[in-house]
Amino acid sequence: DVKVTQSSRYLVKRTGEKVFLECVQDMDHENMFWYRQDPGLGLRLIYFSYDVKMKEKGDIPEGYSVSREKKERFSLILESASTNQTSMYLCATEAGEAGANVLTFGAGSRLTVL
Amino acid sequence: AQKITQTQPGMFVQEKEAVTLDCTYDTSDQSYGLFWYKQPSSGEMIFLIYQGSYDEQNATEGRYSLNFQKARKSANLVISASQLGDSAMYFCAMITPYGGATNKLIFGTGTLLAVQP
Repeated sequence: DVKVTQSSRYLVKRTGEKVFLECVQDMDHENMFWYRQDPGLGLRLIYFSYDVKMKEKGDIPEGYSVSREKKERFSLILESASTNQTSMYLCATEAGEAGANVLTFGAGSRLTVL
Repeated sequence: AQKITQTQPGMFVQEKEAVTLDCTYDTSDQSYGLFWYKQPSSGEMIFLIYQGSYDEQNATEGRYSLNFQKARKSANLVISASQLGDSAMYFCAMITPYGGATNKLIFGTGTLLAVQP
């Protein structure tokens, strides 16, 4: 069964802390994505990656960076967390083959920044 | 610019009745794909159904069907015979151009559906 694992379901951090959100997939998918979900705003794309060591900015990349050193792992980094980054973060993967482009999501990481 | 609009923040439906969740989209591309995802309170996003812009038939998957009206740019989700387990947030999404290897999905703001016994 397809699996996308996000390392932390719930995190509480202080303003200014560096935060790592990890996402690991076991499906050998090429494409990986980080979204943030906020009430009334839906899901907004932060960053995505189509290959190892490759990254592309999404719609709201400010305040975030990413790392993809291995195909199965895509990390989202908040260099200096701020209260407006309190949100639900969703990682997703996609096979990267021409076709239906269905995303498989992780369970989400709910981050609270105090 | 591509955009997905879901105008219903929340809806109630009686168990066993059908319900329609609205979705309109905006794109200048001829080739695109439309998706619906379900998010229960547990948080995971579950793929429900998709429709390609060139598909002539409306997509169906069990109790889910997608009412695709291309001229109106609408892609409404119809759930027949609602069940209590259908209570969740529902997101409409679009990918354009459709079917490539490096495309990204954009989402609407979601509709929260509550099924009442």
